[in-house]
Amino acid sequence: AQSVTQLGSHVSVSEGALVLLRCNYSSSVPPYLFWYVQYPNQGLQLLLKYTTGATLVKGINGFEAEFKKSETSFHLTKPSAHMSDAAEYFCAVTLPGYNQGGKLIFGQGTELSVKP
Amino acid sequence: DTAVSQTPKYLVTQMGNDKSIKCEQNLGHDTMYWYKQDSKKFLKIMFSYNNKELIINETVPNRFSPKSPDKAHLNLHINSLELGDSAVYFCASRRTGVDEQFFGPGTRLTVL
Repeated sequence: AQSVTQLGSHVSVSEGALVLLRCNYSSSVPPYLFWYVQYPNQGLQLLLKYTTGATLVKGINGFEAEFKKSETSFHLTKPSAHMSDAAEYFCAVTLPGYNQGGKLIFGQGTELSVKP
Repeated sequence: DTAVSQTPKYLVTQMGNDKSIKCEQNLGHDTMYWYKQDSKKFLKIMFSYNNKELIINETVPNRFSPKSPDKAHLNLHINSLELGDSAVYFCASRRTGVDEQFFGPGTRLTVL
């Protein structure tokens, strides 16, 4: 069975500082990996995804993540935090293949606060 | 031009009542999902339909009954509501073979 662990339920950074949100996964086969962002009282928006190919993936709003198979990690980073980045961030996995149905297994979420 | 829409956005009801939440997507996707987000913001898959056929049912109580009248709609009916059903319910959709799921804005259900 797949699982996702996000280290730190709450991360606080200063505006302009590096953002690092940690995600580790467990899966019997190489999964597809995602980061979603949820702004208050809104749905989830895809930030970026890794399926195959280049292990460093770039997403929207200046975020990027690196898939490290040896560490079973998919940490999310942004060089310089902006106030508008304050939100809840979810790491998720799914198994490739039509018969898997595409269901997403989510981590518990990390709330990012950005201080002025 | 909303991609995935849900109605209602807020739903407050008494224990024991029956209620429905509706979801519609105009993206031409063939697979739709229901997820539940609890008070600690944990998200969990409930159901998935592909071309109106149930393909995922994650051990959800049978008080919850999804219905897909066509590929663009996936509704969720809940019988005999309980306090523990209070949560935000998200609908999502995707096209088979494409990995990204598009989420609706959520329906916040409060059971009193």
